[in-house]
Amino acid sequence: NAGVMQNPRHLVRRRGQEARLRCSPMKGHSHVYWYRQLPEEGLKFMVYLQKENIIDESGMPKERFSAEFPKEGPSILRIQQVVRGDSAAYFCASSPAGEAEKLFFGSGTQLSVL
Amino acid sequence: ILNVEQSPQSLHVQEGDSTNFTCSFPSSNFYALHWYRWETAKSPEALFVMTLNGDEKKKGRISATLNTKEGYSYLYIKGSQPEDSATYLCASMNTGFQKLVFGTGTRLLVSP
Repeated sequence: NAGVMQNPRHLVRRRGQEARLRCSPMKGHSHVYWYRQLPEEGLKFMVYLQKENIIDESGMPKERFSAEFPKEGPSILRIQQVVRGDSAAYFCASSPAGEAEKLFFGSGTQLSVL
Repeated sequence: ILNVEQSPQSLHVQEGDSTNFTCSFPSSNFYALHWYRWETAKSPEALFVMTLNGDEKKKGRISATLNTKEGYSYLYIKGSQPEDSATYLCASMNTGFQKLVFGTGTRLLVSP
């Protein structure tokens, strides 16, 4: 049973480009969470999704950021027109339905904006 | 807003020392408290999940306690080893949210 898979592991973008981060949850997990770690800070909640639904996006910036978790395929975190301040490690975690205490993390995507 | 705070921010001990960290969280509407161990360039690894006041959990040389009435949890490491060097994160969930809110972590360095 593979763990939570995130790709790419490292992503370099120039200012103004789009960044797409992918997360495949563990088998049997239908809930996905995205967290961001800015330099010298802890993990900050961004968004919580179930299949085809956004449950809580209170931690996501209102502009340029979007997330989806389609019926088929991985969850995608999309950042449009990236700026240097978007440089961070983005972590995805998944859990089974109704069991948020069984949360498993991926290894993260390190986004660097030049 | 759910604020989770951890102290100390960092800790440097010698091999064989025992150490402990603190996590404080809002006690109202508490649901669960998680501890994670996080090594650089790896994914956070779950150590403990505690839900009941007075819970104590143990895994080898690491143990944790929970006080939900006053809103704190302690993580203890007995006889620290260099391989214990990592960042230790706590995260709280209350009944109104369905997400974990993390503290900023305690960075532990154990020197041989």
